[in-house]
Order: sequence, then C-alpha cells, then structure tokens
Amino acid sequence: DGGITQSPKYLFRKEGQNVTLSCEQNLNHDAMYWYRQDPGQGLRLIYYSQIVNDFQKGDIAEGYSVSREKKESFPLTVTSAQKNPTAFYLCASSMTSGRFSEQYFGPGTRLTVT
Amino acid sequence: AQKVTQAQTEISVVEKEDVTLDCVYETRDTTYYLFWYKQPPSGELVFLIRRNSFDEQNEISGRYSWNFQKSTSSFNFTITASQVVDSAVYFCALSSEKWDGNKLVFGAGTILRVKS
Repeated sequence: DGGITQSPKYLFRKEGQNVTLSCEQNLNHDAMYWYRQDPGQGLRLIYYSQIVNDFQKGDIAEGYSVSREKKESFPLTVTSAQKNPTAFYLCASSMTSGRFSEQYFGPGTRLTVT
Repeated sequence: AQKVTQAQTEISVVEKEDVTLDCVYETRDTTYYLFWYKQPPSGELVFLIRRNSFDEQNEISGRYSWNFQKSTSSFNFTITASQVVDSAVYFCALSSEKWDGNKLVFGAGTILRVKS
C-alpha cells in the first residue's frame, strides 16, 4: 500500500542526546515536510524539501537538522540544542507538479525527552 | 500577516446533532488555498478538502459541507448528523501562491467530541 511510514511510534531519550526520527514515503512525491505539534497548538513547520539534496528551514528550524539523500526518505534529527524537544512529530509529503497539492501525513512519532 | 484562527478550542455534541467548526484566516495575498484536515486519535492527519480563493461555491460531501466566504475571511466546516466516529481534532490551514514549497499555516485546531 502507498503511504508514509514513521518509526517508531513512541521514542524516549535522555536530555543531551541527539535522536533521529525516520520518515519514508512510497508515493513518489517530490516534496516532504516535518511538522511539530504541541498540545493545544496547530502544526508548525520545521523543515521542508522540494527535491532530493535540497531542503529549507521552516518556522522553527532551530535545534533540528534534516537530510534528503533519497526521494523516499527525509529523516529528522532532534539535536541537544533543541530546548523543548518533547512533542509529537509529523512527516508529510506532496506532489509539486501540481500547485497547492494537498499534503499527506504519516502516523507521527511521539518523542519524550527526560 | 498570514494567520488562521480556530476560536473554538473544544466542542461537545450528542450524536445526530449538527455541528459547525469555525475558521477565520488572514492573508493579503489574492491567490491562496484553504484546507481542512481531520486528526483522529491515531494521530495521522487526514485531508478533507482544498478550496482556492477564486471559488466561493459551497461544497458538500456526504455529511460534510463547507462554507467559504471571502467577505468575512471565513471557511467554516459543518458536519450534519454527527456520529461518534467524527470525534477528532479538526485543523483549518492556509497556503499562498507566493509561498515557496507548498507550505501550510495551520490553526490551533478544534477538538470535537461526539457522544452517543
């Protein structure tokens, strides 16, 4: 089945450790996105990538890093520089051949840092 | 400023009641798109509808309907005869032609609880 996979569903880390969240899509979409969701807030854009080997910062990129070496994969690293890393992280993808194409979302990873 | 406001934090209804979720947006751009997404307890956002700024026709899809009014900068979502399975968080979002990368700005979401 076509879709977006995020693993793991739940992730626990100690403060000061970097952690990488996985995002894979088999929809053949060009664009991929990472969002952060906090309780009572909407989604906020961390990073996005329109093509392989290219990515741009979103609204809250500080303390995060990404790579886009393959079209299907867009991993997000939460570094120790991120002051409040505990959150729900959602990955999305969309076709860019059509303008304003809707974004399709993965099931999310809930990260808890203690 | 580009902004989406969903003033209703949480709504509770009894099954079979109609319910309207409000969405007010701010943008100075003339070409933009509005979206609604549903987030069930599983966490994954599900796309419901996309509407462009030049199409103010209301849309109906089964029990769902959307009312887009540019005069009031609103894009409200109505569920008719609500069901327990409609319980979720609903997000309204905005995208502009001028933004790079098909980016979305989301509202804070409205939690809908439908009780049997």
